[in-house]
Parts: sequence; C-alpha cells; structure tokens
Amino acid sequence: GENVEQHPSTLSVQEGDSAVIKCTYSDSASNYFPWYKQELGKGPQLIIDIRSNVGEKKDQRIAVTLNKTAKHFSLHITETQPEDSAVYFCAATRAFGNEKLTFGTGTRLTIIP
Amino acid sequence: SAVISQKPSRDICQRGTSLTIQCQVDSQVTMMFWYRQQPGQSLTLIATANQGSEATYESGFVIDKFPISRPNLTFSTLTVSNMSPEDSSIYLCSAELAGADTQYFGPGTRLTVL
Repeated sequence: GENVEQHPSTLSVQEGDSAVIKCTYSDSASNYFPWYKQELGKGPQLIIDIRSNVGEKKDQRIAVTLNKTAKHFSLHITETQPEDSAVYFCAATRAFGNEKLTFGTGTRLTIIP
Repeated sequence: SAVISQKPSRDICQRGTSLTIQCQVDSQVTMMFWYRQQPGQSLTLIATANQGSEATYESGFVIDKFPISRPNLTFSTLTVSNMSPEDSSIYLCSAELAGADTQYFGPGTRLTVL
C-alpha cells in the first residue's frame, strides 16, 4: 500500500517569511495529492491539491509542487500570516480508483509575530 | 465544495456505553468515510461507508466495535460500542462529491470516555 512521509513535524517561521513542507510517497501509481489545514478544534480543510499531470499549482499565497520522478511534493506558503498557524497534512491516492487517502504525519506550523 | 455537519460535536461518556455519531452532507456524494484522530496524531481511516451495504473496514477495526450505517447517499452514522478510555479521540467523517475525487471533512466529534 501507499506510504506517505512528511517533514518537518514542527516548523516556526517569522511572520512575512515563507514556509515549506515536504512529503514523499511510495506508490508510483498515486496521482492525486491534496493538502489539508487543520486548526485547533476543527476538521481538516482542503487548501490546495495537485494531480500528476501538472508540476505546480498556485492559489494566492499557497503553491504546491510535484516531482513524479522523485515521488515527492511540497507545500509552499509565502508572506506568512498569524492565521496560517495550524497543522498541515499532505495526502496521496489514486484518484477515481476507489483508493483511500493516505495521510502524512502532519506539520505543526507556528507563525511568530 | 461541500458542507458536512456532525452531531454531536463533543461528548463525555462512561465506560461500557455506546455513542452514535451522525454525519450529514449537503451535496450529492459518492463515497463517505469515517476516520479517527487521536490527540496530536494524523488521521486513521476506520472504514468506508457503503450505501445500502456493509461498510468496508480497515485493518484493526471491526464491525462489532464500530458499526456503520449509510441509509442514503448523504447521511451516515458511526457507533462506538462498549467504549473504553482508549476510544477517547476525535472522530471525523468525510465525503467525496459526485464526479470528483476530492474529500471534504466534517468538523469532527470529540469523544472523551471516562
């Protein structure tokens, strides 16, 4: 089955700086990679996703890059703000294959004002 | 996107009792799932809720402990049976929208077993 590793487990960044979270996956057939943000006391919220037919996707201050050859993908947050403080989870799956999402272990991001 | 609601949002239960958690989705969905998230941990899939048939359980989870129903496309329940303190956790439902492969999550049910 799929295995997803996520690093770092914790990350502290000065407000306004950039944050990068990295994930690697094991199943070369995985083709859909979502990122979720979980704030304290809430359920995970989808913030961005990428499919294997593209290498990068951007949505305002958030971007995700995918390297299929190396089987890794990364979340980039620029111009960080205090409200970006949360736990971030990456995940991987075979889209439309009735395959379950496999989650990374999570990264606790703290933005230092 | 989809709006997913869960009831109750939290509960404190006594050992040996059972709790049923409800999940309602406001859109047409194909797949519904139930996860457990222990404090400070990642999400662990309990089972896939299948409409009109038995749920598909992941390794380590059994129907007698976590019976699941899905009577229609947009509603599912998870029961945590014969609870022990080890069942204290956050229970989350998620759903994939019809025609898409994106999973959206409910707000979670925070369960404490004394």
